[in-house]
Amino acid sequence: AQSVTQLDSQVPVFEEAPVELRCNYSSSVSVYLFWYVQYPNQGLQLLLKYLSGSTLVKGINGFEAEFNKSQTSFHLRKPSVHISDTAEYFCAVSEAHSGSARQLTFGSGTQLTVLP
Amino acid sequence: DTEVTQTPKHLVMGMTNKKSLKCEQHMGHRAMYWYKQKAKKPPELMFVYSYEKLSINESVPSRFSPECPNSSLLNLHLHALQPEDSALYLCASSQEGRWSSYNEQFFGPGTRLTVL
Repeated sequence: AQSVTQLDSQVPVFEEAPVELRCNYSSSVSVYLFWYVQYPNQGLQLLLKYLSGSTLVKGINGFEAEFNKSQTSFHLRKPSVHISDTAEYFCAVSEAHSGSARQLTFGSGTQLTVLP
Repeated sequence: DTEVTQTPKHLVMGMTNKKSLKCEQHMGHRAMYWYKQKAKKPPELMFVYSYEKLSINESVPSRFSPECPNSSLLNLHLHALQPEDSALYLCASSQEGRWSSYNEQFFGPGTRLTVL
């Protein structure tokens, strides 16, 4: 079984400032890692994913994340945020190589609020 | 077409009503999922269908009845719901298979359900 911890439930940041949203996971097997964003009253949209290969993953809207296996972390970063980045962000993991419909285990979410 | 569509967008129902939520995808995905999401919480997995067969039921009450009539459609039949069942119901789909690129779940916009 896997678990995901998002260390910050709320992150306020000023527009054009950098931001980091933290995610740590626990698993006894290899995992795939994801960041999803949810805007108010909408579904979840995939920002980026780590499946294998380079540990630095670039996603949509200028976001990137780095997989750190030794620290079991997958922190999300953006060098300069916009008002439109205000949303809920979920980190998620699934078991790698399971060969069947994979369950996602979500973290509790981080509300990013970008202030003018 | 990379969309998952859900209807209706909003649904208000009484505790004695019978209603259905509908989800559709045309990406050729063979895994489909129902999630329940309460406000300010991550999505909770309810059901998973793999190749039109129910593969995971996360101990969901029988007042929720899923159905997968074909590989593109997923329904959730609702009967005798309780006010605490009010939530955003999200549908998702993904490829099936051992290859890592098949791991991403695509989410629909959700149905906002209110039980009176």
